[in-house]
Order: sequence, then structure tokens, then C-alpha cells
Amino acid sequence: QVQLVQSGAEVKKPGASVKVSCKASGYTFTDYFLHWVRQAPGQGLEWMGRINPTYGNADYAQKFQGWVTMTRDASLSTANQELTGLESDDTVVYFCARERTLVAATTSRYFDLWGRGTLVTVSS
Amino acid sequence: DVQMTQSPSSLSASIGDRVTITCRASQSFGASLNWYQQKPGKAPQLLIFGASRLQSGVPSRFSGSGSGTDFALTISSLQPEDSAIYYCQQSDNTPWTFGQGTKVEIK
Repeated sequence: QVQLVQSGAEVKKPGASVKVSCKASGYTFTDYFLHWVRQAPGQGLEWMGRINPTYGNADYAQKFQGWVTMTRDASLSTANQELTGLESDDTVVYFCARERTLVAATTSRYFDLWGRGTLVTVSS
Repeated sequence: DVQMTQSPSSLSASIGDRVTITCRASQSFGASLNWYQQKPGKAPQLLIFGASRLQSGVPSRFSGSGSGTDFALTISSLQPEDSAIYYCQQSDNTPWTFGQGTKVEIK
């Protein structure tokens, strides 16, 4: 079954770090970029960045540079995201999503597969 | 960054109604405009990619159109299961950006 399985919910104190994982199954992990998207309660979707599973290099949205690190372990078909210096307003759901690309007259990129999300609650 | 503005922010319509949600970009780009549906407590699901291409398995009552800066998602005949929040997203420029969402409710 083609799916992305994310790690379970976390509760952290302000200032702590957390690592969220996303395990791919049912397809070749290195064939598709993986992205991370976050969503605060009752809010919209925000793109955080993406990782190339083949080489492990990542691109980040500017606001997340310096406190978010995306890595992968290709042997485990798993992408990870570590967030440091958590603050109270960082209580959000983090989704991983697979990027597909359609090359036709124009090139289209989109998320065709999503994980179920990981809730990270920051509370003292 | 490319700003994506959806309208309306919310709407209420009856079963069988035709519903259109628009998405305007702050700058012109190609066809990398996607639409997602999100239900409470769930991950978003892809409806439309490349502005007008229907994702496999998505009912044909959903359609997408537009180019440049103006795009639209149309539900030709609203069904009860279409109650959700709909997001547009551009993937032509990094950072990929989403619209703020449109909440569709059934009257």
C-alpha cells in the first residue's frame, strides 16, 4: 500500500526540540521529493520546505531556516524533520507530502500523497 | 513570495448547486496551480493539479480552470460530502504557497 506514515503526537516544553518522522511505503523512496507542511489549529496550510531523498539536500522556506532541519534515512525510507527552540505558538500539526511532477506542455508539481499529520503541542 | 488570495472565504450552498471558488495570484505563473480538499482532522487531498487536470479517483463534478494569475475551482453539483475547506496552491515558485482556504458548507 502506497502511504506515508508519520510518527505519533508529541508534547514538549517551550525551548525544547522535537523530531517528527515520515516513513514511506509502497513506492521507491528515492523517486520523489518529500515536503513538510504545517497547520496551526483552525488555520491554513503553510509550506516549510522539501528534501531530496536521493541526496539528502533540503530547501527551506525562509522563515524556517535556522530552526528546522530536514534529513532522511534512505535505508529506512524515512524522512525526518527536527524543530528546535519550540515556542507556545508552535503547537501545530506537521504533514509530510510526496511531490509528483507531470511534464507535459508545461510542468506541474503537486502533492499526491500526504501523511496523516503529527500534532506537536508545546506547553509548560 | 507569490501570494495566493482565495474568494470567498466561506460559502453556504444547497445540494445540487454549482459552486465556484476563485484563486488569484500576486504574480503570473504557468500551470502549477493545484486544488486540495481538507475535511476536519484529516490531511488535505488533491483534487486538481496543473490548473485543470482531475486527479484520479476524484469525482468529475470537480473541475479547474484558469491561467496566469486567475484560477477557479468549480463543483458542478454540490453533494453533502463536499462540505470541507478548499485550498489552492502554487508550486511554480519556491516557497510554494497556499491560499487561505474557502470553507464550503451545505445549507
